[in-house]
Amino acid sequence: SAVISQKPSRDICQRGTSLTIQCQVDSQVTMMFWYRQQPGQSLTLIATANQGSEATYESGFVIDKFPISRPNLTFSTLTVSNMSPEDSSIYLCSVIHTGNTEAFFGQGTRLTVV
Amino acid sequence: GQQVMQIPQYQHVQEGEDFTTYCNSSTTLSNIQWYKQRPGGHPVFLIQLVKSGEVKKQKRLTFQFGEAKKNSSLHITATQTTDVGTYFCAGLWSKLTFGTGTQLKVEL
Repeated sequence: SAVISQKPSRDICQRGTSLTIQCQVDSQVTMMFWYRQQPGQSLTLIATANQGSEATYESGFVIDKFPISRPNLTFSTLTVSNMSPEDSSIYLCSVIHTGNTEAFFGQGTRLTVV
Repeated sequence: GQQVMQIPQYQHVQEGEDFTTYCNSSTTLSNIQWYKQRPGGHPVFLIQLVKSGEVKKQKRLTFQFGEAKKNSSLHITATQTTDVGTYFCAGLWSKLTFGTGTQLKVEL
């Protein structure tokens, strides 16, 4: 298992501003991911956070909108830039340990853009 | 791209009734995972199936992987109110792709 600290847990932001979400893991992990989940919907992968290099983004997500950092094996940030109400969602950090395939999730960040 | 569909989308049952959710993939899977997400919570890993035809049990939960490794099912026997939540299957190719989910509500 893994203890994942994600913050903030929720925020209400003005449109046009940016929010940075932090994800801290209690142990070194191979893979870190960022997901978005609309209320009542499934999880959509935004990107894979790569340690020491640029994140790998999924179709429909771009670095300018969702810049991601991963300076080491236990920490990553996701920034939601120039927010609009359509960005209102739950953002989840996820990790997979070396040699395993099951994913562990942070508590999520509930973002509301007004 | 890979798609994973689940049916039903919603299921309301009376406590004590059984429940089954089905997961279907557009392509063959290397493995299938199941997660449970309680209302307001985050997804929690339940189990992973790897072998064709594999069946695993966790107390009242039975998980099955299809022979062709393109479908899976989760069956809950005698549901309880603690089973409430959304159940997601997730197919593993180069990355995890989550299914559409089945929301289970259990009424007393």
